[in-house]
Amino acid sequence: EIVLTQSPGSLSLSPGERATLSCRASQHVDSLYLAWYQQKTGQAPRLLIFGASTRATGIPHRFSGSGSGTDFSLTISGLEPEDFAIYYCQLYGRQTTVGGGTKVEIK
Amino acid sequence: EVQLVESGGALVQSGGSLRLSCEVSGFIFKTYWMHWFRQAPGKGPVWVARLNTDGSSTTYADSVKGRFIVSRVNAENALYLQMNGLRVEDAGVYFCARESPDFYAMDVWGQGTTVTVSS
Repeated sequence: EIVLTQSPGSLSLSPGERATLSCRASQHVDSLYLAWYQQKTGQAPRLLIFGASTRATGIPHRFSGSGSGTDFSLTISGLEPEDFAIYYCQLYGRQTTVGGGTKVEIK
Repeated sequence: EVQLVESGGALVQSGGSLRLSCEVSGFIFKTYWMHWFRQAPGKGPVWVARLNTDGSSTTYADSVKGRFIVSRVNAENALYLQMNGLRVEDAGVYFCARESPDFYAMDVWGQGTTVTVSS
């Protein structure tokens, strides 16, 4: 089973700052299967990025995904107040796996 | 509007059974693969099971294999998760999610239903 490790576990930033979140896979993966989600307290996850770098419908341009092989990242360029949340990477497969998450907190 | 609404969560004793439901609307249910996820308090979502469009193919996480059964009734726009032999570690919020037909991710999620398992 492929394990996804997200870092850092939490990130303390101010609105307007740039956030860079990492997701590392325990072995090489096809970027087609890598997605990022945002989750706020008490809410369901919301799809942000699929195929490692394609924004889902309605997702603002400040969210971008990149990476390949074992190393992937999600960048939020210019944090808005509504962006403070937990972010998960997910690898779709016969047994889908989800990373441990990165919490983006207001500094 | 596309909607997924879970129900059936409850407090149950260890070893007991529970059936969760996910009622969908706003899209052609029979054309989508569907998934269940569990999220324990303070933890990330964990994939539980998936089901193909006509219910003929299922896949389960190792932790629930042999205890949980995922099914669907397309004519009723409903997805189910039958949970047997429940364990304390099965507790959490259960989400149903729709798999996109165009890419490898879940594009719509329900709001979840809470399962509590007492020892």
